[in-house]
Amino acid sequence: EVQVVQSGGGLVQPGGSLRLSCITSGFTFTNYYMMWVRQAPGKGPEWVANIKGDGSEEDYVGSVKGRFTISRDNAKNSVYLQMNSLRADDTAVYYCARGGAVGDYWGQGTLVTVSS
Amino acid sequence: EIVLTQSPGTLSLSPGERVTLSCRASQSVSSNYLAWYQQKPGQAPRLLIYGASSRATGIPDRFSGSGSGADFTLTISRLEPEDFAMYYCQQYGRSPHTFGQGTNLEIK
Repeated sequence: EVQVVQSGGGLVQPGGSLRLSCITSGFTFTNYYMMWVRQAPGKGPEWVANIKGDGSEEDYVGSVKGRFTISRDNAKNSVYLQMNSLRADDTAVYYCARGGAVGDYWGQGTLVTVSS
Repeated sequence: EIVLTQSPGTLSLSPGERVTLSCRASQSVSSNYLAWYQQKPGQAPRLLIYGASSRATGIPDRFSGSGSGADFTLTISRLEPEDFAMYYCQQYGRSPHTFGQGTNLEIK
């Protein structure tokens, strides 16, 4: 059974940093891109970033380039999102999902609130 | 980036009815790389359709997708009570892989 379990998130001040984690099981992790998608309150989802199975390629939406970094540890079947220089408009529920753009298995989501 | 516009914003229907949701792209979506998701409150999106018309694993055959180029539709042939939810389209032919703003399908 495929499982995607997230951790991290919480309240952070503007300009601060946060790291989200996502651990997976039930599939061959290195065979798949992984991605992060976020959803601001009352809004539609927004694709944020993805990373290739071997970690050799990454892609980001323009609004987070230079501030967010996606990474993965294939030995731990885990993917991460390091978020720096956080802004109020980064406030959202963040989801980890299997896939580079189309997500077929999703984590439970974690709320990130950027506020002073 | 490709902007996806979904219509209508809200639909009020009854169980058993047929419904068609629309998704229009600001430019042609390459290789019909268009997906549809269902989302219920407090839950992650659930993949329904990918490649414009292929059903994801475990999705009932009352859900079908069609379209090409810049115009796509999701059809639910007979609404079940569990189908009332938000529906989003997403293009993945070009990065960033944008989503539409959603259609809220509510019970009449």
